[in-house]
Amino acid sequence: EVQLVESGGGLVQPGGSLRLSCAASGFTFSSYWMHWVRQAPGKGLVWVSRINSDGSSTSYADSVKGRFTISRDNAKNTLYLQMNSLRAEDTAVYYCAAYYDGFDPWGQGTLVTVSS
Amino acid sequence: QSVLTQPPSVSGAPGQRVTISCTGSSSNIGAGYDVHWYQQLPGTAPKLLIYGNSNRPSGVPDRFSGSKSGTSASLAITGLQAEDEADYYCQSYDSSLSAHVVFGGGTKLTVL
Repeated sequence: EVQLVESGGGLVQPGGSLRLSCAASGFTFSSYWMHWVRQAPGKGLVWVSRINSDGSSTSYADSVKGRFTISRDNAKNTLYLQMNSLRAEDTAVYYCAAYYDGFDPWGQGTLVTVSS
Repeated sequence: QSVLTQPPSVSGAPGQRVTISCTGSSSNIGAGYDVHWYQQLPGTAPKLLIYGNSNRPSGVPDRFSGSKSGTSASLAITGLQAEDEADYYCQSYDSSLSAHVVFGGGTKLTVL
């Protein structure tokens, strides 16, 4: 079964850090560009970051540039998002997704809440 | 404010046909980039519904169809069913933004 499973979300204080993981199974993870997309409570989908298949190229939304770092370990079929200097506006469900011709599959999402 | 513009809501009775528009510009849809559509049922992750403007992944009913023309795209749903009630998002690529990947603001479909 093709599957992405995120983990690592939780409650963190403003200025804190969190590392999200996304474990892939059922497809050739190393062949796909991978992305993080987030959704604030009651809001729409917003692209966050992407990494190419071998990890040599990354890109970020302006809102997270310099604070978030995307990485991957193809040997472990796992995608990561290191989030530093977190702000209240980073509160959202974070989804990982594979991209070939559209985002498919998506993970189930992990909730990140930034609050004191 | 999203780069791709969708109506916030649409509605229709069971069995009817509805369409959801996605309006972009010359730097995204109008530049020839593909449009993809996603369905997000309440409390779940988005799911790919239409890829490459008009193609359905396996398992997606042929009641769902997509089209693209100029700087806009549309999602049509025929024979509306109660289980179609969800949020729908269009997505494309924009050459003028560092983000490149852009989503519409989403459309809430209500089945009356």
